[in-house]
Amino acid sequence: DTAVSQTPKYLVTQMGNDKSIKCEQNLGHDTMYWYKQDSKKFLKIMFSYNNKELIINETVPNRFSPKSPDKAHLNLHINSLELGDSAVYFCASSQDPSGGNDDTQYFGPGTRLTVL
Amino acid sequence: KNEVEQSPQNLTAQEGEFITINCSYSVGISALHWLQQHPGGGIVSLFMLSSGKKKHGRLIATINIQEKHSSLHITASHPRDSAVYICAVSPPNFGNEKLTFGTGTRLTIIP
Repeated sequence: DTAVSQTPKYLVTQMGNDKSIKCEQNLGHDTMYWYKQDSKKFLKIMFSYNNKELIINETVPNRFSPKSPDKAHLNLHINSLELGDSAVYFCASSQDPSGGNDDTQYFGPGTRLTVL
Repeated sequence: KNEVEQSPQNLTAQEGEFITINCSYSVGISALHWLQQHPGGGIVSLFMLSSGKKKHGRLIATINIQEKHSSLHITASHPRDSAVYICAVSPPNFGNEKLTFGTGTRLTIIP
């Protein structure tokens, strides 16, 4: 069974559209994350949720809205897509970071978003 | 200047060679991570360490907190080790919620 799954794997859409990327983890982790990897392969955190509550919200346009219906899911909704949003988006999860010494993050396979 | 710097940016080696990838950081940290990104794009966590040394198979990670430096070593390298290796650090005021990433080292192992 896949530990952290994302759908879709590829997403091609027109500028101005609204789209969502879904993420699910079956590891029982308390914390989930969204990362953006740009064309230069640089990874940057966007959001982090712990037990359905937002704990990190980096400088991300408010067109991006994470939604966590339960602690196993963290979806990313993007409004009014722009060309610069084209990137690979990775979801990840880990145990409650304050709880232990080995809270490795487990990454999903990524979603390649292309905005035309 | 990035808070996390990796060297080299690109590394090509022959199969069997001993590989070292370096990571230096300029901020206080609670932990340092090594990640592997496969050519297909998937990311795998290799190590998380806050002191000393960890070993997993042919991979060894070390960290020197005083020098703000970590190394990832691969012994008896193999073409399947070809990937981008990414160093990331967690700041001391957070757990692992907020990772700051290096720019990655692209490793190519030639048969």
